[in-house]
Amino acid sequence: QQQVKQSPQSLIVQKGGISIINCAYENTAFDYFPWYQQFPGKGPALLIAIRPDVSEKKEGRFTISFNKSAKQFSLHIMDSQPGDSATYFCAADPQEQGNLIFGKGTKLSVKP
Amino acid sequence: KAGVTQTPRYLIKTRGQQVTLSCSPISGHRSVSWYQQTPGQGLQFLFEYFSETQRNKGNFPGRFSGRQFSNSRSEMNVSTLELGDSALYLCASSSGTGGNQPQHFGDGTRLSIL
Repeated sequence: QQQVKQSPQSLIVQKGGISIINCAYENTAFDYFPWYQQFPGKGPALLIAIRPDVSEKKEGRFTISFNKSAKQFSLHIMDSQPGDSATYFCAADPQEQGNLIFGKGTKLSVKP
Repeated sequence: KAGVTQTPRYLIKTRGQQVTLSCSPISGHRSVSWYQQTPGQGLQFLFEYFSETQRNKGNFPGRFSGRQFSNSRSEMNVSTLELGDSALYLCASSSGTGGNQPQHFGDGTRLSIL
């Protein structure tokens, strides 16, 4: 119940294309869903986050779509660039101080 | 504003030894969380400190411990190191007050056990 399932494990997209990463959760107590981007040798960097009372949030080329009834949320990267090549993690906050439950990550490669 | 700083960046230890890792949060942040990142298990929560008190703890053995100082800096200690403790240890800070405060991560300490 405390899991967040993320897919796909890896993704290859052409430059200019749309990258889509999906996550699903079981626990309805989760109330905050951030996405992190991690480059090799670096820590995860907060990209964008959403709360379940909102169905979509957009920041630049990054959009989170949230489906509360299906308990699913996804990250869309529009006009993907080679600089977007990184590992992306979805996460969920189970309303316990300081504890984020992370998906296993998606390694994105954007080909020029 | 300076980000989260973790020291050292790399550590090599042998089985049975102990190790202490350090984390300096973003200025003004009072909450510090620690995570272990491995290829197999991904990112797993270790514990969280706020105003020098441990508020939450993940499912790790008692060999893993931590503390927080009055300036919000935090240390994590692992005793009797095992090969399976090889991982990237990440620290994240947040304001810690109110709900769902964004967590900001440092670049981690890479711990290798020989």
